[in-house]
Amino acid sequence: DVQMTQSPSSLSASVGDTVTITCRASQDIDNYLGWFQQIPGKAPKALIYAGSRLYPGVSSKFIGVRSGTDFTLTITSLQPEDFATYYCLHYHPYPYTFGPGTTVHIK
Amino acid sequence: EVQLVESGGGLVQVGGSLRLSCTASGFDFSDHYMDWVRQAPGKGLEWVGRGRDKAHSHTTEYAASVKGRFIISRDDSKNSLYLQMNSLKTEDTAVYYCARRGGRDSSGFFHDFDFWGPGTLVTVSS
Repeated sequence: DVQMTQSPSSLSASVGDTVTITCRASQDIDNYLGWFQQIPGKAPKALIYAGSRLYPGVSSKFIGVRSGTDFTLTITSLQPEDFATYYCLHYHPYPYTFGPGTTVHIK
Repeated sequence: EVQLVESGGGLVQVGGSLRLSCTASGFDFSDHYMDWVRQAPGKGLEWVGRGRDKAHSHTTEYAASVKGRFIISRDDSKNSLYLQMNSLKTEDTAVYYCARRGGRDSSGFFHDFDFWGPGTLVTVSS
């Protein structure tokens, strides 16, 4: 099964900062990688699919990049509503697995 | 507007059973794969399983942690997805979400997990 590692597990940043989160797959998953944002008590929200493509309606401040089995999510110009937990998910092959999550805190 | 609403959660004893429902609206449910994802209290997300559409014979896939105990089914006439949970364990305590696999973009990539329901809480008590 594919294992997903995610780093850092948490980070602190200020409004206006740019932050980057990394997920690494244990084997080649092609571009089958998504990123999700979750605010406490709410359902996850889809941000990026296929490694780098924005879901409709998602702000271009979220940038996904793939380099081999490494995937990064960069969030530019952090706003108060961006402080949340972010998860990556690989969705090929089965079984799918989420990364453990990265919580972005306000500094 | 796409909407997904889970129901059927509650308190159940270890070894018991529970059936969750996910009712969909705002799209042609029968054309879409659907997933179940869960989140234990204070923990991360865990994919539970997937139910394919009628065109793919409503076949299913499961995570190892639930395979043989959970069954995903659907009733397209009721726009509903189900999760039958048997032989429940305390570690199955979680909020359970259903999520949709959306359509393809112009390059052929699917919008996997594009919409999620608000979730329903299942508590398994010993």
